[in-house]
Amino acid sequence: KAGVTQTPRYLIKTRGQQVTLSCSPISGHRSVSWYQQTPGQGLQFLFEYFSETQRNKGNFPGRFSGRQFSNSRSEMNVSTLELGDSALYLCASSLVAGELKKTQYFGPGTRLLVL
Amino acid sequence: DAKTTQPPSMDCAEGRAANLPCNHSTISGNEYVYWYRQIHSQGPQYIIHGLKNNETNEMASLIITEDRKSSTLILPHATLRDTAVYYCIVSAYNTDKLIFGTGTRLQVFP
Repeated sequence: KAGVTQTPRYLIKTRGQQVTLSCSPISGHRSVSWYQQTPGQGLQFLFEYFSETQRNKGNFPGRFSGRQFSNSRSEMNVSTLELGDSALYLCASSLVAGELKKTQYFGPGTRLLVL
Repeated sequence: DAKTTQPPSMDCAEGRAANLPCNHSTISGNEYVYWYRQIHSQGPQYIIHGLKNNETNEMASLIITEDRKSSTLILPHATLRDTAVYYCIVSAYNTDKLIFGTGTRLQVFP
């Protein structure tokens, strides 16, 4: 079974631009979460989606948004990029959100560099 | 969400057991203890989790104290490939939201 895939793997943007990152969960997984990892702040939770609905959101500005499609694939968007948005963006999927405690499987991440 | 405290770094000789401690004194009754690790520049990898009983799988063992205020992850025979940052996380029952701390950087040496 294929793991979590994220595209693109690397991205270079300039300040003020916007970016869309994509995540395909493991087949059958319905919950997708996003995390940002930077050297200064470590791994921080962005949002969690299940059945196309955002279930949880981290403490990030409104420039960070996401969505989930009916096939469970997810995208996150960052508008008006700032230098501080340079980070590794990680996506994780799990089988079902909520009732049963289960593990999350992380993708390799998208490394975003904002110049 | 409960917070965790881990030592910033530990060393372990290859072939020996690595015992990684974690303090989670404010854990709630419905929160699980999770361990993940992150090898340089890769996505975090799930290791093990537990609620109150000790757990063992093919990767590691998890020992949770009776009062659930602390736990220890045990890698029984550490290898060089176990060199990574290990994160101890407590997570509520009804969410996938994981709050990562700074973790323990485990260095396994030959």
